[in-house]
Amino acid sequence: AQSVTQLDSHVSVSEGTPVLLRCNYSSSYSPSLFWYVQHPNKGLQLLLKYTSAATLVKGINGFEAEFKKSETSFHLTKPSAHMSDAAEYFCVVSVPSGGYQKVTFGTGTKLQVIP
Amino acid sequence: EAQVTQNPRYLITVTGKKLTVTCSQNMNHEYMSWYRQDPGLGLRQIYYSMNVEVTDKGDVPEGYKVSRKEKRNFPLILESPSPNQTSLYFCASSNSETQYFGPGTRLLVL
Repeated sequence: AQSVTQLDSHVSVSEGTPVLLRCNYSSSYSPSLFWYVQHPNKGLQLLLKYTSAATLVKGINGFEAEFKKSETSFHLTKPSAHMSDAAEYFCVVSVPSGGYQKVTFGTGTKLQVIP
Repeated sequence: EAQVTQNPRYLITVTGKKLTVTCSQNMNHEYMSWYRQDPGLGLRQIYYSMNVEVTDKGDVPEGYKVSRKEKRNFPLILESPSPNQTSLYFCASSNSETQYFGPGTRLLVL
């Protein structure tokens, strides 16, 4: 069985300050991990993914995430928030299961960016 | 352009009136799935398909049906919709590593 916990349902930051969105996972197998972003009334866009290569993953729009196996974490960070980063972010874990990838979504973190 | 398309994008219907939401992908992916998104719950998988004529239940399959007669299409069928199926629905197709999502279908069941 696998699970994903996004530790904060809402995060509020000021424009230009760092962003930290926290994600912890549990999995019986070596997982692939993803972050998706959903802007209001839009679909899901892949930000970045970890698939057992480098533990520090760089994504689009200046976001990055670090896979820490010892802490079972995959936190998403950005050095300086922009107004356009206001959106909902989903952490996703994927593990092999019976010939396909079993995917589990976190419940999401809404990021508010204050001007 | 590689994409997943869904139709309709918005739908208002009444309880008990059968409806189908279509999903199509042009990436020749074998694996496709349907999710519903509800506030505070993230995305939950309804059904998935590993290939043509191979489908299976996800985490919340009750009240839904699917079919996979062709590789590119994976329609979601609500035989008798109820108000608790009011939600935002996403279709996805994937290769071995990454899922690609459709734009979503917002359904309101009165």
